[in-house]
This record gives sequence, C-alpha cells and structure tokens, in this order.
Amino acid sequence: KNQVEQSPQSLIILEGKNCTLQCNYTVSPFSNLRWYKQDTGRGPVSLTIMTFSENTKSNGRYTATLDADTKQSSLHITASQLSDSASYICVVSADNQFYFGTGTSLTVIP
Amino acid sequence: NAGVTQTPKFQVLKTGQSMTLQCAQDMNHNSMYWYRQDPGMGLRLIYYSASEGTTDKGEVPNGYNVSRLNKREFSLRLESAAPSQTSVYFCASRYGTSGGALHEQFFGPGTRLTVL
Repeated sequence: KNQVEQSPQSLIILEGKNCTLQCNYTVSPFSNLRWYKQDTGRGPVSLTIMTFSENTKSNGRYTATLDADTKQSSLHITASQLSDSASYICVVSADNQFYFGTGTSLTVIP
Repeated sequence: NAGVTQTPKFQVLKTGQSMTLQCAQDMNHNSMYWYRQDPGMGLRLIYYSASEGTTDKGEVPNGYNVSRLNKREFSLRLESAAPSQTSVYFCASRYGTSGGALHEQFFGPGTRLTVL
C-alpha cells in the first residue's frame, strides 16, 4: 500500500534554533518528493521538489534531503523564525497521483 | 493573477442537502484536483482532471461528482451530503498532466464544510 509517514507529529522549538522533520514512504513507482508548508487556515505551498537522482535541495533556510534507497526524506529548517510556525507536509508522487503525509505541526516560540 | 480561487469559503449543510463547490484557476494549468483534509489525516484525493474534458477518480470519490467545465473551472458536487463529508476541501491545479512532471501544484484557500 502506498503510504507516507511523517515524524514527529508535532514539535515546539525556540526561535533561532534548528530542527529536522522526517518523512518515510512506501510509494511505488517513485516519481518525485515534495515538501509543502501549510499555514493555519490556508492551502499548502510548495517548498521543494526532488527527483530520484537528487540528494539535497535548498530553498532559503529550508533544506530537504532524499535517500531513495531507504525511502526517507528530511526537511531541515535553519535559524527558525516565528513565521515558520505551520504544518509541514511531505508528498510523494507516483503515476498520476500524489500521496500526502499527515504533516508535522511546528510551533516556534519566542 | 489570482491563482486558484474557491467558493464558498465556509458552508453549513443539513444531511441530505446538495451543494456545489466551485474552483477556478487563471494560470492556464492543465490539471486540476479536489482534495479533502481531515484532522489527523493527510490530504486525500477525491477526483482529478488531467485535461479539459477528462476526469478520474482518486482515493475517496464516493458521494462526490465533478465537472471540468472548461480549462479554468473544476467543480465538486455533493448530491446528498452526509456528516462524514464534514471536512476542509482544497482545489489545486498544476501545468503538468502526469505525476512525474515537476510542475508545482498550487492550492486554493479551501472550503470549510460542515454537515449537520
């Protein structure tokens, strides 16, 4: 069964600290992996898209990694800001469909 | 350039009532999608349309119908609403027509539907 699992479910960090979110998937055949940021009450917004051959991709303070052999991805947030408080969703694409993880809820406190 | 717009933003229905959720995009995208998002679950695909004139079922299509009215508009209809359809509904669009294409998927702001 195609599944995307994320951990932790929720995370609270101090402003300025770094954090890493995890994503494990069993989706096949793999096309690409995306990380989205979803602010409360809004639709998801794309952060990164990675193909099978890419190990790392950055978007400002966000860095995503992909290990296609172990089917794991991570999203590292550097020097967190209050505006990073949101849900972060891992999405794996296969064929014509997208499989969404349940997200990690990140809260950044002053 | 409004991106993806959805109407209404909020809706309360009684069991058995019908309604249509509207979605429009102005980015000349080929593919459009309807998802639902429930607490503790990832977004789940209801229906999608890879191009004008075509629609396909997603993971949870039961109780819903869709219409790709033209390239811009993709509507979702609940014929007889049930409490299990209480959810937040998101419409999305992207230029590509296959999951392998690297085109970004853009989401609308969502419709919060409550069925009593």
